[in-house]
Amino acid sequence: DVKVTQSSRYLVKRTGEKVFLECVQDMDHENMFWYRQDPGLGLRLIYFSYDVKMKEKGDIPEGYSVSREKKERFSLILESASTNQTSMYLCASSRPRGRRNYGYTFGSGTRLTVV
Amino acid sequence: SQQGEEDPQALSIQEGENATMNCSYKTSINNLQWYRQNSGRGLVHLILIRSNEREKHSGRLRVTLDTSKKSSSLLITASRAADTASYFCATALDSSYKLIFGSGTRLLVRP
Repeated sequence: DVKVTQSSRYLVKRTGEKVFLECVQDMDHENMFWYRQDPGLGLRLIYFSYDVKMKEKGDIPEGYSVSREKKERFSLILESASTNQTSMYLCASSRPRGRRNYGYTFGSGTRLTVV
Repeated sequence: SQQGEEDPQALSIQEGENATMNCSYKTSINNLQWYRQNSGRGLVHLILIRSNEREKHSGRLRVTLDTSKKSSSLLITASRAADTASYFCATALDSSYKLIFGSGTRLLVRP
């Protein structure tokens, strides 16, 4: 069964800590995405990557960075966690346009609380 | 900014009834997709409809797309308690890999 795996379901971190959220997919997908989900705001795109070592900013990149050293792994980094980054973080992957299906496959999410 | 907006925000129906959710968007699209999210979990892809398609079916799901009105609807027929979830529409713009999600419709199916 193909899947996207996020390393933690729940995470509690202190303000100012550097936080790493890891995402691994086993589908050989080129595209990978990080969203955050907040009540009433839906899903908002933080960063995405369409190839190894490539990254592009989404709609809300401030306070975040990403790393994609290998095709299967896409990491989201909170350089200095703040309480307003408390949220559900969702990783997703997809095949690029031109392939038959480019619906996203999502991970189960990481609920991050910054205290 | 949100591209897709679902309507209604919340819907409560009896098991066996049909559920209809609507999505409106602002700009031209390449395709529109619907996803389901069970409480506290990731999203699951349900169905994709391309901009040159008007209707698509998958099991108990029926999706329509009206590009002139920039709107789509998701119909779930003969609903079950297990259909209780949030449903999101997402649009793929013409020249982007990105999906832009709406804020979702919360569906409650009462047994």
